[in-house]
Amino acid sequence: AQKITQTQPGMFVQEKEAVTLDCTYDTSDPSYGLFWYKQPSSGEMIFLIYQGSYDQQNATEGRYSLNFQKARKSANLVISASQLGDSAMYFCAMREGNPGAGGFKTIFGAGTRLFVKA
Amino acid sequence: SQTIHQWPATLVQPVGSPLSLECTVEGTSNPNLYWYRQAAGRGLQLLFYSVGIGQISSEVPQNLSASRPQDRQFILSSKKLLLSDSGFYLCAWSVDVGGITDTQYFGPGTRLTVL
Repeated sequence: AQKITQTQPGMFVQEKEAVTLDCTYDTSDPSYGLFWYKQPSSGEMIFLIYQGSYDQQNATEGRYSLNFQKARKSANLVISASQLGDSAMYFCAMREGNPGAGGFKTIFGAGTRLFVKA
Repeated sequence: SQTIHQWPATLVQPVGSPLSLECTVEGTSNPNLYWYRQAAGRGLQLLFYSVGIGQISSEVPQNLSASRPQDRQFILSSKKLLLSDSGFYLCAWSVDVGGITDTQYFGPGTRLTVL
């Protein structure tokens, strides 16, 4: 079974509107971290936001927020007021593991390509 | 502030030729270092990670190898490239502040084409 699932290969959003990118995860570890990265056409991976499994509140970073629903094992990224520069691939990732059993590992989803329309 | 460098930015190599990609990190000590590969239109595949000098963990058995000769230097190598080695190679670093919470920061990547 996939550890990280991003079901939307591609999405369109109108400029200035909000968009939600879906991410579900699968883990049996009680402690884990969830990340979102943005990859523009240049190829670099840009860290956007982090959510810890024990965090009580949803993470927010500027226009980015993470809708964390632990019982559903989902960690959707919400981008408010989309801008043309938001057009990129977006990857959800999960870090889990045990330092005594080989360390922590980060697993990436397949990504969602977001297109922002003017 | 921390920065991460990768070179070369692009590389075209014939099948069977050797490979050496370099990654260096500035502004931090004893980072965790990672090599990922991204095939065209796909997600990231972890190839190697290192928690210290000379300590390399391999995630996927293949014709690639990694070395960490210095604290902030991570090298990805191959003795003989295959066509399937083509892809976008990303180096990343993180600093362990509790394991689960440490964020990975990526370099600009190397685009490798094997012909």
